[in-house]
Amino acid sequence: EADIYQTPRYLVIGTGKKITLECSQTMGHDKMYWYQQDPGMELHLIHYSYGVNSTEKGDLSSESTVSRIRTEHFPLTLESARPSHTSQYLCASSSLQGQETQYFGPGTRLLVL
Amino acid sequence: AQSVAQPEDQVNVAEGNPLTVKCTYSVSGNPYLFWYVQYPNRGLQFLLKYITGDNLVKGSYGFEAEFNKSQTSFHLKKPSALVSDSALYFCAVRDMTGEFQFGAGTQVVVTP
Repeated sequence: EADIYQTPRYLVIGTGKKITLECSQTMGHDKMYWYQQDPGMELHLIHYSYGVNSTEKGDLSSESTVSRIRTEHFPLTLESARPSHTSQYLCASSSLQGQETQYFGPGTRLLVL
Repeated sequence: AQSVAQPEDQVNVAEGNPLTVKCTYSVSGNPYLFWYVQYPNRGLQFLLKYITGDNLVKGSYGFEAEFNKSQTSFHLKKPSALVSDSALYFCAVRDMTGEFQFGAGTQVVVTP
């Protein structure tokens, strides 16, 4: 098991609420990622970071934002949740070295009513 | 830019039979290739990777994968499938810049 953690694992919330999905890793990895995945479907990269104070948008446009104040922590925030945000959100991390593996957290399943 | 293709949305196999999940890739330079498995309501778990060396890579849970440079393929194999192998499998490629690209995933269904 990789040392990467996500909380909460499941979240049901009403439309318009602000939410933050937490992700932390203890492997000292510089690069971190957020993916959005509908059940049984492909992964869509929505954000990534090369290190502290670095954030980049991924291939899929997302209304969420991220921050990277500490190496081990990469939270994702939705200012105003909508039903279209219902999905699974996966956090991952890797070393910057080219051959290194990307490791995933257990995911947060979000349901917006 | 690199790309990964998993041509089968779903693979059905009877327990005890050989399992193959196909993956082809396109990348500039030498590829770093990975296989992951995802069980329901879980994150992706790393199975194995090819960096260099022997074309046959052995990984977790009895899985192995064969790198074929001429066919740009990296198929995942297991000699004898188990019902517990039923899951979603992702192939991924990482290029020299460190960028990952995942395939669309292949659902494996192993029937008793």
